[in-house]
Amino acid sequence: DTGVSQDPRHKITKRGQNVTFRCDPISEHNRLYWYRQTLGQGPEFLTYFQNEAQLEKSRLLSDRFSAERPKGSFSTLEIQRTEQGDSAMYLCASSVYRGGGGNTEAFFGQGTRLTVV
Amino acid sequence: DQQVKQNSPSLSVQEGRISILNCDYTNSMFDYFLWYKKYPAEGPTFLISISSIKDKNEDGRFTVFLNKSAKHLSLHIVPSQPGDSAVYFCAASGVSGGSYIPTFGRGTSLIVHP
Repeated sequence: DTGVSQDPRHKITKRGQNVTFRCDPISEHNRLYWYRQTLGQGPEFLTYFQNEAQLEKSRLLSDRFSAERPKGSFSTLEIQRTEQGDSAMYLCASSVYRGGGGNTEAFFGQGTRLTVV
Repeated sequence: DQQVKQNSPSLSVQEGRISILNCDYTNSMFDYFLWYKKYPAEGPTFLISISSIKDKNEDGRFTVFLNKSAKHLSLHIVPSQPGDSAVYFCAASGVSGGSYIPTFGRGTSLIVHP
């Protein structure tokens, strides 16, 4: 396993179009996170899954955004009716969560750079 | 509401000297802290972490110090190398709202001059 993989690396789309990104986490990791990063900011949390269950969504995740993780493996993040403000780096990360305070570090993929023109 | 703060946007040091990157947090429920390094156009790479039951963790040239009473942590890199030039993010997590979701600071850009 070579780590967290994201596809595509870059996406340029016209305003109003829909886009979908894919993330393949490290195989034994039960947690998968989506973050967004814009220039001069740190990664901002969007949503996360534990196995196939989506457990939390940030206020940043508008109704145009939807994420899935079928069967608890790969995940997709879809943005409908893209806006110029959606232009950002979308990062996926995965980790092992053991519960009861047994937290571990999250490993990130290379990210998908979205440009909405 | 910035729960993890990195107040220095940039830091410049000479090769071979020590780099000290600082981070403050406001949420007392955070109990696990991490440092990540990021090169342009790449995802963050995990560097080192520390649990709140410790006050120091060391891994090669990297040492993280945690002062829980001050809600402050720092990353020391010694000796600094030009390849260390990158943006460094501090992150914290704990059972607060969402369970153990890493919350990131805005980053500090480190430049190590040869």
